[in-house]
Amino acid sequence: EIVMTQSPATLSVSPGERATLSCRASQSVSSNLAWYQQKPGQAPRLLIYGASTWASGIPARFSGSGSGTEFTLTISSLQSEDFAVYYCQQYNDWPRTFGQGTKVEI
Amino acid sequence: EVQLVESGGGLVKPGRSLRLSCTASGFTFANYVMNWFRQAPGKGLEWVGFIRFKAYGGTTEYAASVKGRFTISRDDSKSIAYLQMNSLKSEDTAVYYCARGSGYYFWGQGTMVTVSS
Repeated sequence: EIVMTQSPATLSVSPGERATLSCRASQSVSSNLAWYQQKPGQAPRLLIYGASTWASGIPARFSGSGSGTEFTLTISSLQSEDFAVYYCQQYNDWPRTFGQGTKVEI
Repeated sequence: EVQLVESGGGLVKPGRSLRLSCTASGFTFANYVMNWFRQAPGKGLEWVGFIRFKAYGGTTEYAASVKGRFTISRDDSKSIAYLQMNSLKSEDTAVYYCARGSGYYFWGQGTMVTVSS
C-alpha cells in the first residue's frame, strides 16, 4: 500500500497570505495525485487532479505541482472560505490512499 | 447538476447489518464506476470499495478491512448504488460517502453510521 504523508499537520496563515502544503508518496505515483478540500460537516471537494489540473469551478488561486513522490498545493492568497482541511490522494495503485490531512487555520 | 445523495445511516448494534443507498442524478450513472469511502470521527479518509460499470462486468473490489463483510451493488435503472454492511463492528463507525470516478472522485454529502451497543 502506498503511504501518503502530508506536512505540516496544521498551517496557520493570515487572510491574503500564501499557503504551501506538501504531500509525499512512499513510492512513485507519477502524476496520479488529487487534492481535496474538506470543511467541517461537509464532503471532500475535488480541487486538483493529475497533480496540476484544476477541477471544474476551482479558483485559479489554487495550484498544484509535482510528480513522482513530491507534490505541492499552493493557495496564492488565502480567502476566508479557504480555511479547511486539505487531503492529497494517490490513484496510481490500489488501494487508493490519502494523506492524513493539513488543517489550514487562521 | 451532478448530485450524489446517501441515505440509510443510523445507529446499529455490533454484529447487525445495515444497507446504505447512494442515489445519483445529473449524469449517466450506468457509465461510471461507483465507490464508497468512509471517515471515522476526527479521522482521515479510507477507501471502502467500488463497483465497475456493466460494460466491465459490474465487478467489485474491497478494502481488506471490510472484505467478506461488505457488499457493493448497483441498480442502473434507478441510478442507485448500495453498500450492504454485515457483521458490523464498532470500528466501522464513520461517515460513509459514495463517490463517482475511477481515480479522482466527486463525493456525496455522506451518511453517518454508528455501531454501538
